[in-house]
Amino acid sequence: GDSVTQMEGPVTLSEEAFLTINCTYTATGYPSLFWYVQYPGEGLQLLLKATKADDKGSNKGFEATYRKETTSFHLEKGSVQVSDSAVYFCALSDRASNTGKLIFGQGTTLQVKP
Amino acid sequence: EPEVTQTPSHQVTQMGQEVILRCVPISNHLYFYWYRQILGQKVEFLVSFYNNEISEKSEIFDDQFSVERPDGSNFTLKIRSTKLEDSAMYFCASSAQGGRTYEQYFGPGTRLTVT
Repeated sequence: GDSVTQMEGPVTLSEEAFLTINCTYTATGYPSLFWYVQYPGEGLQLLLKATKADDKGSNKGFEATYRKETTSFHLEKGSVQVSDSAVYFCALSDRASNTGKLIFGQGTTLQVKP
Repeated sequence: EPEVTQTPSHQVTQMGQEVILRCVPISNHLYFYWYRQILGQKVEFLVSFYNNEISEKSEIFDDQFSVERPDGSNFTLKIRSTKLEDSAMYFCASSAQGGRTYEQYFGPGTRLTVT
């Protein structure tokens, strides 16, 4: 079945460092891809999305490009801040699901130190 | 900004007891979902609900689980006879439309502890 694999965490960075969180997927159909973020004590919030190959999703300085040839959707940010400390989830929604159910990766904890 | 709310934030129950988790989705949304996350594991889809019926469910969502939208605003998940392995964080979500391109809005979760 469909699945999402994220890099292991936690990831610890200094403020202003470059961030990459790797995400690869397996899907029988043609999925949409998402990054969700969960700040402490809050629910999951959509960070960005891409719905077709070569689309780039971006928000709040974060970017991810839908790479069909490598089945990847890596999250990047050029300069992280302490406020970016959170858990990041990569997810897909396959066109075979008419309700848009999400399949998540295991989540990657990011800690940014001042 | 509209948001999804969930109550309670933490529920402790004894094995074999029934538990009801409550969610208030965003008011004009049509699709509703429950997910769960066992500690240290992935967030897993349980069920989706549209037009007052289940539209999709996972293998996890067996006869012990049920969902209901009793009054047009609340969306509930009932576990009839809880097991230790039901201990998890349960997330409710809602979406304006179904389909793979629409954003789902998540609540903060209910932590269920079964003892």
